[in-house]
Parts: sequence; structure tokens; C-alpha cells
Amino acid sequence: DAGVIQSPRHEVTEMGQEVTLRCKPISGHDYLFWYRQTMMRGLELLIYFNNNVPIDDSGMPEDRFSAKMPNASFSTLKIQPSEPRDSAVYFCASSLGRDTLHFGDGTRLSIL
Amino acid sequence: RKEVEQDPGPFNVPEGATVAFNCTYSNSASQSFFWYRQDCRKEPKLLMSVYSSGNEDGRFTAQLNRASQYISLLIRDSKLSDSATYLCVVDLTGKLIFGQGTTLQVKP
Repeated sequence: DAGVIQSPRHEVTEMGQEVTLRCKPISGHDYLFWYRQTMMRGLELLIYFNNNVPIDDSGMPEDRFSAKMPNASFSTLKIQPSEPRDSAVYFCASSLGRDTLHFGDGTRLSIL
Repeated sequence: RKEVEQDPGPFNVPEGATVAFNCTYSNSASQSFFWYRQDCRKEPKLLMSVYSSGNEDGRFTAQLNRASQYISLLIRDSKLSDSATYLCVVDLTGKLIFGQGTTLQVKP
């Protein structure tokens, strides 16, 4: 069975550029979470969706970050404009109900 | 105060040792609790859920103390393959909040 699929796996870009991270959750899962992980702050919850509806985006750092889930099989996290402090590993995870979280491999983002 | 706090370690122990990690949470409305394991440069994976009565899975035992708002994980007879970061997770009405993680290094 396919797990959570994230793309790209790695992204290196210059500050000021727009960055779009993509996620395909496990089919049938109704929750989708976006996390950011850094050495300093650990895993931070940015936003989560239930049945494609954003439930809590209080973790989104600022207006430069936005997330969408247009359908049950796709979500994006966008950063515009990007800054060096946005460099981190971004994980997408999905779950059925509020059961086990299944994570993707993550996107390693470097902003120069 | 952070919502979920863990001692980051690292804990360096010899093979066969017993090691315990604690995690405290700040919101008494928290409903469910979990331990996840994360290997270096990999994604987190569920290790075990934590039930009010305590639960065991092989060499791993998880305990929950709601009155004191802490969760513990005990690893007995530790193996080299147990070396990883252990993350405490708290479900706060749908928001799954991770602790910073405790790093364990098991040495031969």
C-alpha cells in the first residue's frame, strides 16, 4: 500500500522565491497534518485538516505561509516569499480518525 | 511553558540496561497520548499508544499519570537498535502536539 507521498524530497532555493510543498495522503484517511522540524524547535504543528477543511492553523508562523487541501488526495503548503529561517524539514502526515499518524518522508528545504 | 516537555538527553546507556523517559504536558484537557520513535534523518513512527491503565509491548512499558500530567516510557534490556529519538505526543482535541524528543544512544 502506498504511504504518504511528499514532493519534492529536497528543495534548495534563494530567499524571496516562492516554495510549494506537496502531499498526497493515504487513501481513505480523513486527517492531514503539516509539521515543520528544526533542531532548535523540534516538530511544530503548522496546520491540520479534517475532511479537507482547515481546523487549526494557529501554528502557521506568519502570513507568508499558506496551506490548501482542494480534495481528499492532495494538499499543498506554500511559502511566499521564502526566508532563510524557513529552512527545515517539512513533514506531512495523515490519519484515519485521530489514530496513528502516518508520516511522509519529508521535504528538506534550504533557503539561501 | 511548552505544551509538551521532554528531557532532550542524550541518554547514553550500555546494551542490556533499563532506561526510562518522562514527558510532562500542560493542558489537563489532553485526551490521548502516544510515544513515537524517530531514527536519524527519517520520519517519526508510532511506537505505542499510552493507556490510563498502563500498557506493555515486549520490552517497552508506557504509563500515564493524569493527576501529575506526565507520561513515561520504560525500555528494558535495551538493544543497539533502540538507539533513536523518542517523541512524546499529546492529542489536544485533534491537535497532535509533539515534545522535542529524547535521544537514546545504546552502546555495546
